[in-house]
Amino acid sequence: AQKITQTQPGMFVQEKEAVTLDCTYDTSDPSYGLFWYKQPSSGEMIFLIYQGSYDQQNATEGRYSLNFQKARKSANLVISASQLGDSAMYFCAMREVNTGNQFYFGTGTSLTVIP
Amino acid sequence: NAGVMQNPRHLVRRRGQEARLRCSPMKGHSHVYWYRQLPEEGLKFMVYLQKENIIDESGMPKERFSAEFPKEGPSILRIQQVVRGDSAAYFCASSPMAQPIGGYTFGSGTRLTVV
Repeated sequence: AQKITQTQPGMFVQEKEAVTLDCTYDTSDPSYGLFWYKQPSSGEMIFLIYQGSYDQQNATEGRYSLNFQKARKSANLVISASQLGDSAMYFCAMREVNTGNQFYFGTGTSLTVIP
Repeated sequence: NAGVMQNPRHLVRRRGQEARLRCSPMKGHSHVYWYRQLPEEGLKFMVYLQKENIIDESGMPKERFSAEFPKEGPSILRIQQVVRGDSAAYFCASSPMAQPIGGYTFGSGTRLTVV
């Protein structure tokens, strides 16, 4: 089974609108971390936001927030007030604390912000 | 405060040649991870190293690929007798400890093209 599933290959959003990028995960480890990375066309991986499995509140970082629904095993990224510079690939990732040597990445969602 | 430095950014090799990819972790980081990103895919874990030790190489292809992280100098990912299927982006990440809360810092990647 896939550890991380991103079902939206591509998304479009109007500038200044909010957009939600979906991510579901699969793990039997009770301790894990969930991450979102942004990969612009230049190729580097930029860390956006982190959510720990025991965190009670949803993580927020500026215009980014993570909608963490533990029972549904989902960790959707919400970008508010989209900007043209948000156009990029977005990857959801997970690290299991008890087998924590690696990240598992989804296949990514390509976001295009329309002016 | 330099981040994770990878070089070269782009590398072109003919089939059968050797490719050497270098990664200098962030200052104070002694744990290094290599990931590979094939076109249109997310990152896949290859190997985890500490200084002078390979901790987890479960994601490394069995042949032609090797990695090292010597006491002095950068970590090296070496691919012998490259084939077209090795064309990918190779990312390095580093951390100050084995299981850092929050995750790792990624470099900008090396894009290997085999012609």
